[in-house]
Amino acid sequence: EVQLLESGGGLVQPGGSLRLSCGASGFTFSSYGMSWVRQAPGKGPEWVSAISGSGVNTYYADSVKGRFTISRDNSKNTLSLQMNSLRADDTAVYYCAKRIAPTLGQNYFDSWGQGTLVTVSS
Amino acid sequence: DIVLTQSPATLSLSPGERATLSCRASQSVSTYLAWYQQIAGQAPRLLIYDASNRATGIPARFSGSGSGTDFTLTISSLEPEDFAVYYCQQRSNWPLTFGQGTRLEIK
Repeated sequence: EVQLLESGGGLVQPGGSLRLSCGASGFTFSSYGMSWVRQAPGKGPEWVSAISGSGVNTYYADSVKGRFTISRDNSKNTLSLQMNSLRADDTAVYYCAKRIAPTLGQNYFDSWGQGTLVTVSS
Repeated sequence: DIVLTQSPATLSLSPGERATLSCRASQSVSTYLAWYQQIAGQAPRLLIYDASNRATGIPARFSGSGSGTDFTLTISSLEPEDFAVYYCQQRSNWPLTFGQGTRLEIK
């Protein structure tokens, strides 16, 4: 059974930093691209960032480019998101999500974590 | 960025009725579109991918159709557990984008 477990959320002041982690199990982690998807209160999901299985290729939404960095450690089955220069509009539940298939381009998400809440407020 | 517009915003139906949800893309996404269901307090669940393929374990009452810019999610006969929010998502272009959602509520 695929399991994804996020951690690292919390309350942070504007301009601050936070690092999210996602522990994965139940599948061959290094074979699958992974993403972070966030959801602000009462809003629809917003894709944030993606990384290929090898970690070589990364992608970002314009809203976080230059502030967030996605990475992975395939030896530890862990996905991370380093978030710097946080703003109030970054407040959301952050989910890690597994791509549906190892095949290049299959950027749909068939497994999601339970989410971790990030609140940016003074 | 590709904008996905879902309609209606809210759909009020009774169990046993047929539900038809729409997703329109601002430019062609071919068939690279998925549908998700989200129950309050839970993560989204993948229902349909590549416009018409049911994901693993999804009941046959859920079906998807469409290509290009116009897509439909149909639930043939609503069960009580189907009342939730539904989102579409495209993978045709970066950035990946989601629609704003359709809330399916009990009439």
